[in-house]
Amino acid sequence: DAGITQSPRYKITETGRQVTLMCHQTWSHSYMFWYRQDLGHGLRLIYYSAAADITDKGEVPDGYVVSRSKTENFPLTLESATRSQTSVYFCASSESKGVDTQYFGPGTRLTVL
Amino acid sequence: QQPVQSPQAVILREGEDAVINCSSSKALYSVHWYRQKHGEAPVFLMILLKGGEQKGHDKISASFNEKKQQSSLYLTASQLSYSGTYFCGTAAFYSGNTPLVFGKGTRLSVIA
Repeated sequence: DAGITQSPRYKITETGRQVTLMCHQTWSHSYMFWYRQDLGHGLRLIYYSAAADITDKGEVPDGYVVSRSKTENFPLTLESATRSQTSVYFCASSESKGVDTQYFGPGTRLTVL
Repeated sequence: QQPVQSPQAVILREGEDAVINCSSSKALYSVHWYRQKHGEAPVFLMILLKGGEQKGHDKISASFNEKKQQSSLYLTASQLSYSGTYFCGTAAFYSGNTPLVFGKGTRLSVIA
């Protein structure tokens, strides 16, 4: 299917465990982004990537790791999950950082117990 | 720096109009508007680039005042389907574009 997909859609984990959220896009967009969405904060940028092997921090990068070995994939890893990382995570892709449409994936709802 | 959206929430009856504002303290290159329905991903509405242009999309339009670093989203003759949270995303203008920074959102509820 064309578009941008995320997996899993729902995840429950425990404090201290490592969790990886997957993001895959089929448009060959250069840029990919990870956001977290929490009540009262809107969408906050965690990390973004301009191309394979090029990543940069966003507003709230602490506790997260990203990689991008292929243009179409942009996984987000929580190395040691904390309760404060309970959130809805959205992946997005675009042709540019700020002047083109960003297309969002369906989101992953992560609960850290 | 996060743009400021106002109002935080608004309730409309079908057919009424609404304006949602987005203000930034930084010089902006672009303003993006998205709508998110409950439990779903944000969906793109429109982009405005610096130049003060106004865009329209059915009965939803927007303007960008680059002197004031403000954008407004206009919803006319609102429909039940307009309900959701509206986000503006802004990109600052300095040596190339920057990642979008989103406001906290405006929750719009349209009732019959």
